Amino acid sequence: DTEVTQTPKHLVMGMTNKKSLKCEQHMGHRAMYWYKQKAKKPPELMFVYSYEKLSINESVPSRFSPECPNSSLLNLHLHALQPEDSALYLCASSQVASGTGETQYFGPGTRLLVL
Amino acid sequence: QQPVQSPQAVILREGEDAVINCSSSKALYSVHWYRQKHGEAPVFLMILLKGGEQKGHEKISASFNEKKQQSSLYLTASQLSYSGTYFCGIDNYGQNFVFGPGTRLSVLP
Repeated sequence: DTEVTQTPKHLVMGMTNKKSLKCEQHMGHRAMYWYKQKAKKPPELMFVYSYEKLSINESVPSRFSPECPNSSLLNLHLHALQPEDSALYLCASSQVASGTGETQYFGPGTRLLVL
Repeated sequence: QQPVQSPQAVILREGEDAVINCSSSKALYSVHWYRQKHGEAPVFLMILLKGGEQKGHEKISASFNEKKQQSSLYLTASQLSYSGTYFCGIDNYGQNFVFGPGTRLSVLP
């Protein structure tokens, strides 16, 4: 099973709302990632969790707050977002963190619209 | 540092071949190739590790030249299902994984 699931599929939120994105994998992977993808652009790395610890934060604004409750789950908490944060948010996982040639498996993404 | 991909876009007829190139200014540990269809997540195609290997999967293959710090993806006898955006992703020896800007491939009947 090489499936990464993400919920919700679509999310519309106002700039004062608080919402969360959820990602789950059951492949026993110990690295999980959040990416942001704007239209016609490649995915941009936001956060990397390795063995449930935040190992990389790519200078992401504090209105995005990641959380890794256990090795299978990854959340992204959203608060006070801006319209320019509207994008496809992708979750991925790999056996261990990249840098060693590990394949990343992507979830279907959450399409976020901030009004 | 983001790798460079070429061409930016290519249009093919079914049955034609295409080559997509990916190059980096820094030493590469591995190169990953993904295909993304509109509105969907990137799908893993293959990974090439240092050592100058070549890999293939049906009519899609790739090569990795470690010395030249570049990789090429070869699509032969293209099918309509090959349409999408192809991204290379690179591992630069422990630095963060980075995707290239993508190559948009359109296969027409």
